[in-house]
Amino acid sequence: NAGVMQNPRHLVRRRGQEARLRCSPMKGHSHVYWYRQLPEEGLKFMVYLQKENIIDESGMPKERFSAEFPKEGPSILRIQQVVRGDSAAYFCASSPISGWTEAFFGQGTRLTVV
Amino acid sequence: AQSVAQPEDQVNVAEGNPLTVKCTYSVSGNPYLFWYVQYPNRGLQFLLKYITGDNLVKGSYGFEAEFNKSQTSFHLKKPSALVSDSALYFCAVRNNAGNNRKLIWGLGTSLAVNP
Repeated sequence: NAGVMQNPRHLVRRRGQEARLRCSPMKGHSHVYWYRQLPEEGLKFMVYLQKENIIDESGMPKERFSAEFPKEGPSILRIQQVVRGDSAAYFCASSPISGWTEAFFGQGTRLTVV
Repeated sequence: AQSVAQPEDQVNVAEGNPLTVKCTYSVSGNPYLFWYVQYPNRGLQFLLKYITGDNLVKGSYGFEAEFNKSQTSFHLKKPSALVSDSALYFCAVRNNAGNNRKLIWGLGTSLAVNP
């Protein structure tokens, strides 16, 4: 049973480009969470999704950021028109349908905006 | 507002000595408490959790943590530190009420174990 898979591990984008970060949850997990880890800061919650639904996006910036978790395929965190301040490590976690007491994390995607 | 505090940015201990990484929290209701570790260039790994029951919980790699409700603390401990324990440690909490599954994180404590 593979763990939470995130790709790419490293992503370099020029200012103004789009960044697409992918997260494949563990098998049987239908809940996905995205967190952002900025330099010198801790982890910040961004969004919580279930299949085809956004449950809580209170941590998502209002502009340029979006997330989806389709019925088939990985969850996608999309950042449009990236700026230098978007440079960070983005972590995805997943948890099972019921009995959630811990989330399993991927290894993260390190986004660098140049 | 709900929050988690890790008052020490960095903890230095000598190998073989006991270590403590502190965590205090503020959350309404009964909390679920977690410790995660992040090794350099790696993702977060779960260490241990407190949900209910015995206040002393044991986790991976010989770590343990004690839940203290009166002090709203959940300090991470290990009796004898190893150099390989050097990493970034995160405390996290969530409110167990309703459907809330959002973890609230501390800023992390960098642990350096010196040989």
